[in-house]
Amino acid sequence: GDSVTQMEGPVTLSEEAFLTINCTYTATGYPSLFWYVQYPGEGLQLLLKATKADDKGSNKGFEATYRKETTSFHLEKGSVQVSDSAVYFCALSVDRTGRRALTFGSGTRLQVQP
Amino acid sequence: SAVISQKPSRDICQRGTSLTIQCQVDSQVTMMFWYRQQPGQSLTLIATANQGSEATYESGFVIDKFPISRPNLTFSTLTVSNMSPEDSSIYLCSVGGAEMNTEAFFGQGTRLTVV
Repeated sequence: GDSVTQMEGPVTLSEEAFLTINCTYTATGYPSLFWYVQYPGEGLQLLLKATKADDKGSNKGFEATYRKETTSFHLEKGSVQVSDSAVYFCALSVDRTGRRALTFGSGTRLQVQP
Repeated sequence: SAVISQKPSRDICQRGTSLTIQCQVDSQVTMMFWYRQQPGQSLTLIATANQGSEATYESGFVIDKFPISRPNLTFSTLTVSNMSPEDSSIYLCSVGGAEMNTEAFFGQGTRLTVV
């Protein structure tokens, strides 16, 4: 079945450090890939997405490139801020019988220290 | 975009009782999804609720334990029946994620604690 594997957290970084959160996937067909973020006490929000191979999703300084050859969608940011502290979820969606439910990775907690 | 109102936001319930969670969307949607997020874990899809038909449950989830209603295109309920402490989780309602790779939108979630 479909699955998403994320690096385990927590990831602790100092402000302005470079961030990478690894995400790899297994899916039948051609999935769409997403990164969702959950800030403390808030609901899930879409951070960025990519719908086909070699697409790059970007938002708020975060980027991720859909790599079909390595089945990966790693999240990166060049300079993190304290306000980026949150839990990040990699997810995929594969059309099956007409519905597109999301399959989530385990989530990675990011803690950014001033 | 879609705005989802979910209630209650949290509840503490006695084991053996049932809780019904409501999900209201500000626009008509074909499918609504119910997820569970156990403490410190990721989201797991419980079921997909389609208006006018029975919900489709994922492996490990059954209708007797998690009955779902979908009376119209903007509303759904999930009931957690005969609760035990293992049901303590955050339950989330979601819409979207369908047709043309649109993003999924989530409610704020219902934090359930069973004592």
